[in-house]
Order: sequence, then C-alpha cells, then structure tokens
Amino acid sequence: EVQLVQSGAEVKKPGDSLKISCEVSGYSFTIYWIAWVRQMPGKGLELMGVINPGDSNTIYSPSFQGQVTMSVDKSIDTAHLQWSSLKASDTAMYYCGRLWPTSIDTYYIDYWGQGTLVTVSS
Amino acid sequence: EVVMTQSPDTLSVSPGERATLSCRASQSIRSNLAWYQQKPGQAPRLLIYGATVRAAGIPTRFSGSGSGTEFTLTISSLQSADFAVYYCHQYNNWPPRAFGQGTKVEIK
Repeated sequence: EVQLVQSGAEVKKPGDSLKISCEVSGYSFTIYWIAWVRQMPGKGLELMGVINPGDSNTIYSPSFQGQVTMSVDKSIDTAHLQWSSLKASDTAMYYCGRLWPTSIDTYYIDYWGQGTLVTVSS
Repeated sequence: EVVMTQSPDTLSVSPGERATLSCRASQSIRSNLAWYQQKPGQAPRLLIYGATVRAAGIPTRFSGSGSGTEFTLTISSLQSADFAVYYCHQYNNWPPRAFGQGTKVEIK
C-alpha cells in the first residue's frame, strides 16, 4: 500500500528555521517525483515545486524559488521541505504528493500525504 | 503559463441531485487534467485523471468529460459524503503548476 506520512504540526516564530518531512512507503522512493503543495488558510492549492528523489533534481515554482529548499534522504525514503527564516505569511498546510507519470513529460499527483500544518506567529 | 478557471465558485445542491462542475484552461491541455476532492481537514483525494478516467475505488457516480480547454466533473446523484471542495489540475506542462481555484459543493 502506497503511503506518504508527513511530520506533525509545527508552531514557530518569525525568523525561525524549520524542516518538515514526508516519509514514503509501499513503492520505490527513487522512481517517482515528489511534489510539495501549499494551502494557505481557506485558500486553494499551489504547487511549490517538485523533486526527483533519484538524483535530487529540483524545480521550484517562481513564487517559491529562494523561499524554501526541497531535499531528500534516500536512506530513509523521506523528502524534506525547509525554511531558513519563517515569516507569518508561511502559515499554511503543506502537502507532499507522489507524481505518477502518464508519459515522458506529464505527471499527476496520485497519492497525497496527510499534510503538515505550519503556524508562524510571534 | 496555463491558467485554470473553475465555475461556479460555490454550487448548492440537494442530496440525490446531479452536480455539474466546470473547469476551463487558458490554452489546450489535451486530456491532461485531474480532479481532486478535498473535505475539511483532509488531504485532497484523486478522483479523475486523463480527464475521464476514474481513479481506483472512486464510485461510478463521479464522471469526467472534456478535452482541450473545456472540462466537466459530474456527480450523478449527490451523497452526503460528496459535499466538499473540488479542484481541477492540469498536468500538460512540466511541472504541473496550475490548479483551479476550487468549487465548493454545499448542501442546498
């Protein structure tokens, strides 16, 4: 059974650093790209970027370039999303998802993590 | 950059009635469209991919249609479990950035 299990909710202060995780099971981690998706309170879904666990190739959406860092640890089948200096506007739910390929350049998210709520408040 | 626009923003439907949700792409995305359902406090769940293919375990009352720029998600007879927010998502471009803004299906 494919599962993506995310780390627990976090409450941080502006300026803090943070690293959240997404541990996968039930499939070969290095074969499928992982997506990170932000959902701000009461809002829709935004793709932050994607990462290839096999070679750590990353593509960030323009709004998130330089704001976050995606990484993987292949030894524990886990993807990470990190911030070096959080802002109040980073308060949101963050989801990871597995990208399923339908062709060489088309992928949709077929499985989602349960989400990690990040709250940034002074 | 492809922009996805869903309509309406909110759909009020009585249980047992049909619900029709629309999604429009700003340029052709062929059939590279997925639909997701999101209930409060839950992660999105894949309903439809390839514009028309139901994902595993999805009830037959959910159906998708369309190609190019116009797409529709139809729920043939709404059940209480179907009241949720529905998002379309294009994956014709890499990476697949564009989600629609969502349609909330609420009880009438």
